[in-house]
Amino acid sequence: EVQLVQSGAEVKKPGESLKISCKGSGYSFTTYYIAWVRQMPGKGLEWMGIIYPGDSDTRYSPSLQGQVTISADKSISTAYLQWSNLKASDTAMYYCARHEYSRGTWGWFDPWGQGTLVTVSS
Amino acid sequence: QSVLTQSPSVSGAPGQRVTISCTGSSSNIGAGYDVHWYQQLPGTAPKLLIYGNNNRPSGVPDRFSGSKSGTSASLAITGLQAEDEADYYCQSYDSSLSLVFGGGTKLTVL
Repeated sequence: EVQLVQSGAEVKKPGESLKISCKGSGYSFTTYYIAWVRQMPGKGLEWMGIIYPGDSDTRYSPSLQGQVTISADKSISTAYLQWSNLKASDTAMYYCARHEYSRGTWGWFDPWGQGTLVTVSS
Repeated sequence: QSVLTQSPSVSGAPGQRVTISCTGSSSNIGAGYDVHWYQQLPGTAPKLLIYGNNNRPSGVPDRFSGSKSGTSASLAITGLQAEDEADYYCQSYDSSLSLVFGGGTKLTVL
């Protein structure tokens, strides 16, 4: 079974750093993109960025470029999303999802991780 | 403001048919990029419902169907059931180099 398992909920203070994880299993981790998607409280889904663990090729949403860093360690089939200076506005649920690049173009997300809730509050 | 526009809410009685629309532009859906749909039940992660405009993953009931025309796409749900009450999101690619989602539509089963 293809599965993505994310790290647990985090409570942080503004200005702190954070790295959350997403571990893939049941498939070849290096041959599929992994994306990160943000869902702020009561809001919709927002694509943040994507990484290809095979060669670490990484793309970011133009609106979020520079605010987060996406990385991956293919030796342990794990992708990461990190912040160096958290803000209260980073409070959200963060999902990782495997991306299907189909017919030479960007495709769909399946499956999704269970989500990691990040709360930033003083 | 989302690049793909969805109505905030839709409702229907059990057994009825409802459609959820997703309107884009010439830089995404109208440029020929595929549309995909997700269902997010309350308190859970999104789940793929339709991929490649009109394909259902294994396990998704055939009550769900997708279509695409011009700069828009639609998700149709027939034989509405109480368990279908959820948020639904469309997703595509935009030539601004972004994967994009619609703002989401909340389906209420009356």
